Amino acid sequence: AQSVSQHNHHVILSEAASLELGCNYSYGGTVNLFWYVQYPGQHLQLLLKYFSGDPLVKGIKGFEAEFIKSKFSFNLRKPSVQWSDTAEYFCAVNAHQKVTFGTGTKLQVIP
Amino acid sequence: AAGVIQSPRHLIKEKRETATLKCYPIPRHDTVYWYQQGPGQDPQFLISFYEKMQSDKGSIPDRFSAQQFSDYHSELNMSSLELGDSALYFCASSLGPAGEPQETQYFGPGTRLLVL
Repeated sequence: AQSVSQHNHHVILSEAASLELGCNYSYGGTVNLFWYVQYPGQHLQLLLKYFSGDPLVKGIKGFEAEFIKSKFSFNLRKPSVQWSDTAEYFCAVNAHQKVTFGTGTKLQVIP
Repeated sequence: AAGVIQSPRHLIKEKRETATLKCYPIPRHDTVYWYQQGPGQDPQFLISFYEKMQSDKGSIPDRFSAQQFSDYHSELNMSSLELGDSALYFCASSLGPAGEPQETQYFGPGTRLLVL
């Protein structure tokens, strides 16, 4: 069975700081990787996804993620965060059409 | 673009009552998934359907059942509700059967269930 680990449970940054959220997964086969964002009181929205090809994936709102197969990682990055990025971020693995989520990282951006 | 629709958005029930949550997938999507997200928890997979047949089962209690109808909408039926069932229930939809290429799941806004 697949599993997903997000090591940072709560991150606090000032506006314009750079962001990197870690995500490691465990699954022996081919996986598809996702980052979802959940703004306060809202539903999960897709930020970006990786299926194959270029391991550096660009998503919406200036986010990007890099798939490193040898490290089983799919870290999310943003060069300069904004107050509006305050939300919870979930890394997810899709194998055999079952999505397994990480425990989430709450990001708080201070103006 | 049309998104996944869930109804109702909020539901309050008492213990031992029943509840039915509905999910309308994105047009042309034939696969529906149900997730439960408890307070402060990550979403947990409950069950999925492809072409009206159950395709996978996760941590869905026996008190819950679900089905997918001919128009691809799905309903999650919850009986003998317990306090611990209070959660946000997400539905997601995708296009295509299991296998490559894997399709992205798009999530609905969720139904917030409160059991008193």
